[in-house]
Amino acid sequence: AQSVTQPDIHITVSEGASLELRCNYSYGATPYLFWYVQSPGQGLQLLLKYFSGDTLVQGIKGFEAEFKRSQSSFNLRKPSVHWSDAAEYFCAVYGLGKLVFGAGTILRVKS
Amino acid sequence: EPEVTQTPSHQVTQMGQEVILRCVPISNHLYFYWYRQILGQKVEFLVSFYNNEISEKSEIFDDQFSVERPDGSNFTLKIRSTKLEDSAMYFCASGGETQYFGPGTRLLVL
Repeated sequence: AQSVTQPDIHITVSEGASLELRCNYSYGATPYLFWYVQSPGQGLQLLLKYFSGDTLVQGIKGFEAEFKRSQSSFNLRKPSVHWSDAAEYFCAVYGLGKLVFGAGTILRVKS
Repeated sequence: EPEVTQTPSHQVTQMGQEVILRCVPISNHLYFYWYRQILGQKVEFLVSFYNNEISEKSEIFDDQFSVERPDGSNFTLKIRSTKLEDSAMYFCASGGETQYFGPGTRLLVL
């Protein structure tokens, strides 16, 4: 069965600093991978996805993620964080007809 | 831009009562889903629905739960007799491999 691990429960970065959120997945076949963001009281917004092809994928709001099969990772990055990026970020893998989510990483941005 | 909508945004109910959570998926999507997120826990898959029948369901989705597409636009989740542990945020999604989520219904069972 597929699974997703997000090792960091909380991350705090300064506004303007770079960001990397870690995600490791377990899935037997070629994974379909996603990052979603959830602001307080809001739903899950799709940031980006990887199905195949170029292993560096671009998303909305200046985010990108890199798929590394050898490391079973799909880390999310942003070169310069804005205060409005403070939210909870979820990595997910699609398989067997459903999404399986990681536990999420709460991003705090300090000014 | 089309989006998934859910009503109500919040629902408070007494244990043992029935609740119906409503969703309007994106109009040209064929697959519909319910997920839930208990406070402080992961988002969990409940059920997927395609062509007017359940295609997948999780162990959580027992006989107390049912889903229905009563018309061409709505997709509902019914919990027949709510328990305290059903308190959670319930998300509807539509799509396929790529799923688009609604804003959620926060259900509180007292």
